[in-house]
Amino acid sequence: KQEVTQIPAALSVPEGENLVLNCSFTDSAIYNLQWFRQDPGKGLTSLLLIQSSQREQTSGRLNASLDKSSGRSTLYIAASQPGDSATYLCAVRYNFNKFYFGSGTKLNVKP
Amino acid sequence: GAGVSQSPSNKVTEKGKDVELRCDPISGHTALYWYRQSLGQGLEFLIYFQGNSAPDKSGLPSDRFSAERTGGSVSTLTIQRTQQEDSAVYLCASSLEIGADTQYFGPGTRLTVL
Repeated sequence: KQEVTQIPAALSVPEGENLVLNCSFTDSAIYNLQWFRQDPGKGLTSLLLIQSSQREQTSGRLNASLDKSSGRSTLYIAASQPGDSATYLCAVRYNFNKFYFGSGTKLNVKP
Repeated sequence: GAGVSQSPSNKVTEKGKDVELRCDPISGHTALYWYRQSLGQGLEFLIYFQGNSAPDKSGLPSDRFSAERTGGSVSTLTIQRTQQEDSAVYLCASSLEIGADTQYFGPGTRLTVL
């Protein structure tokens, strides 16, 4: 059974810090990996998607990397802001209908 | 509609009752997915639809769970004889087609079984 693990489970940082969220997966034969943001009472919002052939993707202050051989992905957030406070979920797709999510990292950015 | 909608947003029920959760996908999206998010756990993939067809129902937790989709649009997830362990947030997502990378998620239905 594929497993997706996210570390840390929770993170609290002062505004302006750069931070790294980690995601690891057991089966490296992935189709793609996606990072989502989840705000309380709302659905998930896709942040970055990395195809299996790619090493990283960037969007604004966010950068996601993928190392399939080691079964790891990181989400780097630069110059964090209070508005970044949310739960960040990593999702691994193995084929068109198999998705596995981590339990998330709850981020709190203090003003 | 502008996005995926789900109803009700919250549902409290008594153990043993049946519940029906509804998902309205984005118009024109042929693929629809149901997930369950239990407290402190990651999302658990339940079932997907391609059109009105659900080719793989093995992700449903038990035979008390069923799902259907009609007209290639609205989907309902039905839980019969609810148990306390069914308490969770049930999320629905849709995508343009089954192989599309981007899924658009609804806000979820929070189910509490007393």
